[in-house]
Amino acid sequence: GAVVSQHPSRVICKSGTSVKIECRSLDFQATTMFWYRQFPKQSLMLMATSNEGSKATYEQGVEKDKFLINHASLTLSTLTVTSAHPEDSSFYICSARGSGGTETQYFGPGTRLLVL
Amino acid sequence: DQQVKQNSPSLSVQEGRISILNCDYTNSMFDYFLWYKKYPAEGPTFLISISSIKDKNEDGRFTVFLNKSAKHLSLHIVPSQPGDSAVYFCAATKGGAGNMLTFGGGTRLMVKP
Repeated sequence: GAVVSQHPSRVICKSGTSVKIECRSLDFQATTMFWYRQFPKQSLMLMATSNEGSKATYEQGVEKDKFLINHASLTLSTLTVTSAHPEDSSFYICSARGSGGTETQYFGPGTRLLVL
Repeated sequence: DQQVKQNSPSLSVQEGRISILNCDYTNSMFDYFLWYKKYPAEGPTFLISISSIKDKNEDGRFTVFLNKSAKHLSLHIVPSQPGDSAVYFCAATKGGAGNMLTFGGGTRLMVKP
C-alpha cells in the first residue's frame, strides 16, 4: 500500500512554544490530506481537511489560528501547533488521499506531542 | 452527538476462536464503511471495507457484515490469532473511502494464546 510518513514521531516542548508536524506522501501525490488527533483511549477526531493549494477546512471547535495547516505541495502538508499548552498534548495523525476523490486514505504513523 | 459508536470498549477471545466486533451508526447518509486496526503510538492500518450496496465483504480471515436497516456493521475475524490483538476502529463516510471519516470509539481486542 501507499506510504505516508510523519515527522517528528515524538516531540516534547515547553508551554508557549510552537511545534510543526510534517506529513508526507512518499509514493503518490496527495491532493487531500486530513489531520486527526487522538486523546488517550479515545477515538480519532478529525481536525481539518487540507487541499493542496487552498485553505484548510476546519472542523467545528478547532481553532484555525492555533492549528495552522499548510498544504503547499502534492506530497507535503504541515500542522503547526502555535503557542502550545499542556492541553494540546495529544497524538496527531495525518492521512493522505490521492486524486480521484474515492481513493482510500492512507494514514501516517502519528506524532505524539507532549507540552510541559 | 456520536454518529459512529462501538459499544464494547474491549473484547477477549481465545486463539482459534471467532472475534466479533460491532459498530452502530446513526447517520443514514453514510454509504461506505471501513475497519482499521491500530497499535499504540502508530497510525491506523486499513483492514477491510464495505459499500452500502453490499451486505457482506470477505477478505481472508476478515469478513464485514452490514445491516443497513439496523444501521449496524460487524467485523468477524476467524480464526483469531494473538497477532490480531490491537484496537479496532470502525469508520464511516459519505461518497467513498477518500472522504472525511467519522470514527467510532474503538474496541480493544485481546486474543489469548
